[in-house]
Amino acid sequence: SQQGEEDPQALSIQEGENATMNCSYKTSINNLQWYRQNSGRGLVHLILIRSNEREKHSGRLRVTLDTSKKSSSLLITASRAADTASYFCATAGTGGGNKLTFGTGTQLKVEL
Amino acid sequence: SAVISQKPSRDICQRGTSLTIQCQVDSQVTMMFWYRQQPGQSLTLIATANQGSEATYESGFVIDKFPISRPNLTFSTLTVSNMSPEDSSIYLCSVGESREKLFFGSGTQLSVL
Repeated sequence: SQQGEEDPQALSIQEGENATMNCSYKTSINNLQWYRQNSGRGLVHLILIRSNEREKHSGRLRVTLDTSKKSSSLLITASRAADTASYFCATAGTGGGNKLTFGTGTQLKVEL
Repeated sequence: SAVISQKPSRDICQRGTSLTIQCQVDSQVTMMFWYRQQPGQSLTLIATANQGSEATYESGFVIDKFPISRPNLTFSTLTVSNMSPEDSSIYLCSVGESREKLFFGSGTQLSVL
């Protein structure tokens, strides 16, 4: 399967620090997205990066994509307690259709 | 954007019973997706529900166990049939007109005793 692997599985940092999480995937992609999930509830779309892009910013979020290594990273700068959540990468393959394949997720805890 | 109302938000069910989860969207959408998230795990796609045709199931999921209805462009149901403790999961519906952004319901947390 194309399921992505994320690391670390869990990350605990202090408020104000930066948080970096990584995603690796197995096959060619059309785009890669990051989602946030609070307390086992619904997911919220954060940012999308296309296969021909290398870096993208949105507010305190910075995403990079390295298609040669089949990997992506999500950086959250100046973290806040409200950033505490699980973060998932999701990939859209090149084969068409609307299906996304989700990674294993990183649990981020931001402590005061 | 799309606002999705999913219910029930949680339920505790007995082994051997069935539960139907409802998903209502505030706008017409072509494709709706049902995901399962087992405890501490990632999301796994169960099926894609298209209006006017049978749902398309992913490998490992069958219609007898997870029947899906899609009577119109704003509504879908997923039934978890003949439940066992292994079915304890969060079930999520989502919509997206492209592969660039999915909107999710708040999920149904199911516990089977």
